[in-house]
Amino acid sequence: DAGITQSPRHKVTETGTPVTLRCHQTENHRYMYWYRQDPGHGLRLIHYSYGVKDTDKGEVSDGYSVSRSKTEDFLLTLESATSSQTSVYFCAISEEARGYTFGSGTRLTVV
Amino acid sequence: RKEVEQDPGPFNVPEGATVAFNCTYSNSASQSFFWYRQDCRKEPKLLMSVYSSGNEDGRFTAQLNRASQYISLLIRDSKLSDSATYLCVVNRVDTGRRALTFGSGTRLQVQP
Repeated sequence: DAGITQSPRHKVTETGTPVTLRCHQTENHRYMYWYRQDPGHGLRLIHYSYGVKDTDKGEVSDGYSVSRSKTEDFLLTLESATSSQTSVYFCAISEEARGYTFGSGTRLTVV
Repeated sequence: RKEVEQDPGPFNVPEGATVAFNCTYSNSASQSFFWYRQDCRKEPKLLMSVYSSGNEDGRFTAQLNRASQYISLLIRDSKLSDSATYLCVVNRVDTGRRALTFGSGTRLQVQP
């Protein structure tokens, strides 16, 4: 197995509540990513990290924040969840210029 | 214009057929190219990297045309298990080679 896990796998939350998704890796890869996948849009980059405490925004970062205090963990936080953030969230890891390995995804529903 | 564009399909082909997918990318500075496969309600998985000289992995052949900025994937002797969505992927130039941008995918349905 690739050594990347996401939690939770499924979550239903109410509008306006904060939500944190966790990505954990055992591969010691430098790069970690959060994407969301929606019908008609494909996978879109939210944030990514290139080292402990080093993060950068992707194309759809509004309403999301991230933290990486340890190599193995990359957290994605929705500060105040909205219905437009209902999606499937994928975490991925990589070494530079190589392909990604994805986690199994988190299905988030905001009601 | 999207950075990576693919025909969404679906491509419905019989078992044993040869099928080809193309995708185009908008940024001529892109340097890394991949094909991923995604099964329904699963995570994407790397199928193969795409090299300038073209490369083959069993029944799968990938080619890159930098002048025209398109990437192709050819699947020979299609199997039922090849049914999936195929994602064309290039590096995001604004991140150097740190992050990837994905096409929306082409769906393939192989029929008995």
